[in-house]
Amino acid sequence: AQKVTQAQTEISVVEKEDVTLDCVYETRDTTYYLFWYKQPPSGELVFLIRRNSFDEQNEISGRYSWNFQKSTSSFNFTITASQVVDSAVYFCALSEEPAGTYKYIFGTGTRLKVLA
Amino acid sequence: NAGVTQTPKFQVLKTGQSMTLQCAQDMNHEYMSWYRQDPGMGLRLIHYSVGAGITDQGEVPNGYNVSRSTTEDFPLRLLSAAPSQTSVYFCASTTRTGDYGYTFGSGTRLTVV
Repeated sequence: AQKVTQAQTEISVVEKEDVTLDCVYETRDTTYYLFWYKQPPSGELVFLIRRNSFDEQNEISGRYSWNFQKSTSSFNFTITASQVVDSAVYFCALSEEPAGTYKYIFGTGTRLKVLA
Repeated sequence: NAGVTQTPKFQVLKTGQSMTLQCAQDMNHEYMSWYRQDPGMGLRLIHYSVGAGITDQGEVPNGYNVSRSTTEDFPLRLLSAAPSQTSVYFCASTTRTGDYGYTFGSGTRLTVV
């Protein structure tokens, strides 16, 4: 069975601190996709990244970086030099083939509060 | 290009009433889905569609119906509303390759009293 665990319910940091959001997944498939979404206080869901199971390269986009490790079934998300605008709920999600593009299993989310 | 449009944004229903949540996308996306978001439970898939005329059940389909007569529209029907259906509902769409994940609508906050 597939499952996504985000054990950190809520994290508070002071602006400019680095913060890592953890995501651990379970799947029996060898082909799958992992995602991160951001949900700011306004409520919409914003796509951040998609990673397939064959690509373990770490990804960096500005202050955001992602560490995918199949050995530990983790897909962690790090924000460097956090800003108040990063305050949001962040969701990790998993999707297995053949429905890899549209049937997601979401984690329960991590609420990040960045304090000025 | 409006993306994914959901209406209404807020709705209060009485137990037993029925209603339809509307969802439309103008990106010519093949795949569309409905999710519900509840506190502490993340988002859960209700129903999905891989193209016009094709729908299937997700994780929590009971009490909901969908249809997809056109590529653009994917309405969600609540047959007989129950308090357990109080939630925030998100419609989402994506391409066949899903390279950029889902595009989500802004959500419908539904309260059943």
